[in-house]
Amino acid sequence: AQKVTQAQTEISVVEKEDVTLDCVYETRDTTYYLFWYKQPPSGELVFLIRRNSFDEQNEISGRYSWNFQKSTSSFNFTITASQVVDSAVYFCALSEARDGGSQGNLIFGKGTKLSVKP
Amino acid sequence: DVKVTQSSRYLVKRTGEKVFLECVQDMDHENMFWYRQDPGLGLRLIYFSYDVKMKEKGDIPEGYSVSREKKERFSLILESASTNQTSMYLCASSDHPTDLYEQYFGPGTRLTVT
Repeated sequence: AQKVTQAQTEISVVEKEDVTLDCVYETRDTTYYLFWYKQPPSGELVFLIRRNSFDEQNEISGRYSWNFQKSTSSFNFTITASQVVDSAVYFCALSEARDGGSQGNLIFGKGTKLSVKP
Repeated sequence: DVKVTQSSRYLVKRTGEKVFLECVQDMDHENMFWYRQDPGLGLRLIYFSYDVKMKEKGDIPEGYSVSREKKERFSLILESASTNQTSMYLCASSDHPTDLYEQYFGPGTRLTVT
């Protein structure tokens, strides 16, 4: 069965520190998709990144970077030089491919609450 | 920009009331979803719909029903609200499953059942 584990319930850092949010997933499929979403205090989830299981290249987008490692079933998210505006709950999610290669529903982890203090 | 709107940000209802939560998206998306979010449990899928008049159960459909009469609108119905349905409800939409499978979320409705 699919499962996403975000072991860190809450993390608190001081502004400008780097922080890594962990995500470990379980799936029996060889084709699947991984996602990260951000939920700021306003409540609306914001899509950050999508990765398919055949693309293990790490990705960097500004201060954000993602490390996908199939060998450890992990898809970790690092924020470099954190800022107060990064304070939010971050969710990792998994979707298995359905027949025909299209994506199935999202299975979310329980989220990690990040607090960045000035 | 994709916009997903939900009819209320906050709602207070009494036990036994019938409750309607409305969700509208303006991007002609085929897929729509209802989740509930509870502390320590993350997001759990209640129902989803891949087309008008079509619905499928998610992980926790008990006590809920849905309606999708028009492509842009997906309603979540609590037939007889109970206190354990006090939660944050999030609606989402996405385009037909393709390689660009992003779900766009609404701002959420915080429902309190007393």
